[in-house]
Amino acid sequence: EPEVTQTPSHQVTQMGQEVILRCVPISNHLYFYWYRQILGQKVEFLVSFYNNEISEKSEIFDDQFSVERPDGSNFTLKIRSTKLEDSAMYFCASSVLSGVNTEAFFGQGTRLTVV
Amino acid sequence: KQEVTQIPAALSVPEGENLVLNCSFTDSAIYNLQWFRQDPGKGLTSLLLIQSSQREQTSGRLNASLDKSSGRSTLYIAASQPGDSATYLCAVITDSSYKLIFGSGTRLLVRP
Repeated sequence: EPEVTQTPSHQVTQMGQEVILRCVPISNHLYFYWYRQILGQKVEFLVSFYNNEISEKSEIFDDQFSVERPDGSNFTLKIRSTKLEDSAMYFCASSVLSGVNTEAFFGQGTRLTVV
Repeated sequence: KQEVTQIPAALSVPEGENLVLNCSFTDSAIYNLQWFRQDPGKGLTSLLLIQSSQREQTSGRLNASLDKSSGRSTLYIAASQPGDSATYLCAVITDSSYKLIFGSGTRLLVRP
């Protein structure tokens, strides 16, 4: 069964360092998303991406964040200069968005720890 | 601004019980509603998607209902099993950005 794949599963980085989180969405899907979940809190939307550009971003997604689809399969989230408060589980998701079918499929997540 | 609330926050039941998880949302103008399961430290597994024109969806022992006018959805789990122990999240899509707005989840423990 097709699935969304995220790497790495866990990343530890020092404050101020750049990190890139990688995702391979399901191959026939057209919409891609990043969400995050700080420990003990709700899953929060960060950004959606369609047709090689950002569709919407939340207020969390400031200038420190960027997304890219560098080739036909990967979808990346870059945090330029990490802060302690960026520590969270980051989830990539994708959906086919055919008609009213908006079902989103999530990856297993990358746990980012900023020290 | 859309807010999604789930009650109860936690639930512990003996194996075999039927149970209902509740989800409410403040803006009834939703596109769709999706239920997920999350195991500790893991990703989100999609359980059911209910389109705004539907009133319920079923998958195996799971049945989800949607009442848009009252801003509520329920997830019914029949004959619960210890393997059902997880956190159950509901999320709504309210606009053309297709972003999901999540509730805080119900943590379910099914005791053998």
